[in-house]
Amino acid sequence: GEDVEQSLFLSVREGDSSVINCTYTDSSSTYLYWYKQEPGAGLQLLTYIFSNMDMKQDQRLTVLLNKKDKHLSLRIADTQTGDSAIYFCAEADTGRRALTFGSGTRLQVQP
Amino acid sequence: SQTIHQWPATLVQPVGSPLSLECTVEGTSNPNLYWYRQAAGRGLQLLFYSVGIGQISSEVPQNLSASRPQDRQFILSSKKLLLSDSGFYLCAWREPPGRSYTFGSGTRLTVV
Repeated sequence: GEDVEQSLFLSVREGDSSVINCTYTDSSSTYLYWYKQEPGAGLQLLTYIFSNMDMKQDQRLTVLLNKKDKHLSLRIADTQTGDSAIYFCAEADTGRRALTFGSGTRLQVQP
Repeated sequence: SQTIHQWPATLVQPVGSPLSLECTVEGTSNPNLYWYRQAAGRGLQLLFYSVGIGQISSEVPQNLSASRPQDRQFILSSKKLLLSDSGFYLCAWREPPGRSYTFGSGTRLTVV
């Protein structure tokens, strides 16, 4: 079955870059996603990448995909205190047409 | 514009009581609809998904059920709540063939 794994915690200083990593097992995944969850809130879609792409950039966010190693990363440039949240990696399951999520990485930004 | 509504935002229910959580989507037709649950400090677990009216797929055996009485309405129910049903319930939708999954603001359920 599908499995998505993330490290649980990351702490960075304000202004530094943050890199959140994710690995997945389903080789048939066609799209991979990054969501942000602030305390007590729902999930906000940050970006997604098609599996035939290596990289996608959107302002301060850069997504890198290594399909051979099934590794996905999210880089946040110039990290701000407002970026403190839980970040979820997810893959789209073509069979169920639903998202399978990792357990989330809590990003703490220190001033 | 397309929006998703979930209510209530918070709910405290005693063990053994019934449950009904509602999710509605506006500005779209024939969306795929999803119910996820997030236990405290955990990731999201898919509970149910629906690709059309009356079509429900269940992912995990449990005392919860889902229904889709209208195209843009998705309801999560239980006849008798358990303590283990506590969590944060999130509804989501996707308009095929689009790839964007949009989540509601969630319902925090505490079973006491």
